[in-house]
Amino acid sequence: DAKTTQPPSMDCAEGRAANLPCNHSTISGNEYVYWYRQIHSQGPQYIIHGLKNNETNEMASLIITEDRKSSTLILPHATLRDTAVYYCIVAAAGNKLTFGGGTRVLVKP
Amino acid sequence: EPEVTQTPSHQVTQMGQEVILRCVPISNHLYFYWYRQILGQKVEFLVSFYNNEISEKSEIFDDQFSVERPDGSNFTLKIRSTKLEDSAMYFCASSESATGGTQYFGPGTRLLVL
Repeated sequence: DAKTTQPPSMDCAEGRAANLPCNHSTISGNEYVYWYRQIHSQGPQYIIHGLKNNETNEMASLIITEDRKSSTLILPHATLRDTAVYYCIVAAAGNKLTFGGGTRVLVKP
Repeated sequence: EPEVTQTPSHQVTQMGQEVILRCVPISNHLYFYWYRQILGQKVEFLVSFYNNEISEKSEIFDDQFSVERPDGSNFTLKIRSTKLEDSAMYFCASSESATGGTQYFGPGTRLLVL
């Protein structure tokens, strides 16, 4: 599975959009981009995933570049409860998920 | 909303003892996974399971580990003889299908080996 690169940490103001970047330059054609988050030591929570097209759900939006080498997770209106470690993972469907260090997001009032 | 559940939430055991961690995957899901996270470290894949067989396992998943789906609802991880280094959070996950199926994680079992 392709590796990903994420900034180790970022701060975000409550109520503002949080834009989390991820590089995955070695992504293969059959690999999806998945985003999960982990709050404290809870189980990873699925946020969103995509293959080529941009995706949006009730939690977030996922923007994938045309060459698929990078993506951005957008939390449209960050709340204090969005403070977590966010993981960008690329994997073929059904394959194991390989977690990196993620981005530690701190939402500040 | 359906969710993966795990029991117990916490388990303390003595080194050398056997432990069984239990998971109830989402009911229509067919693919099951175990991951673990040692305190302060990354989440690591242990094993995937489909159709009553192991699909893939990591180097961590040695002969001390085994998985089983004893009935239609439970999925278990057994550690035969626990070591101190097995202390970790253990997460179960399930997905509806391998083709595009998203993995949903349970809340985890915190295992402490003394």
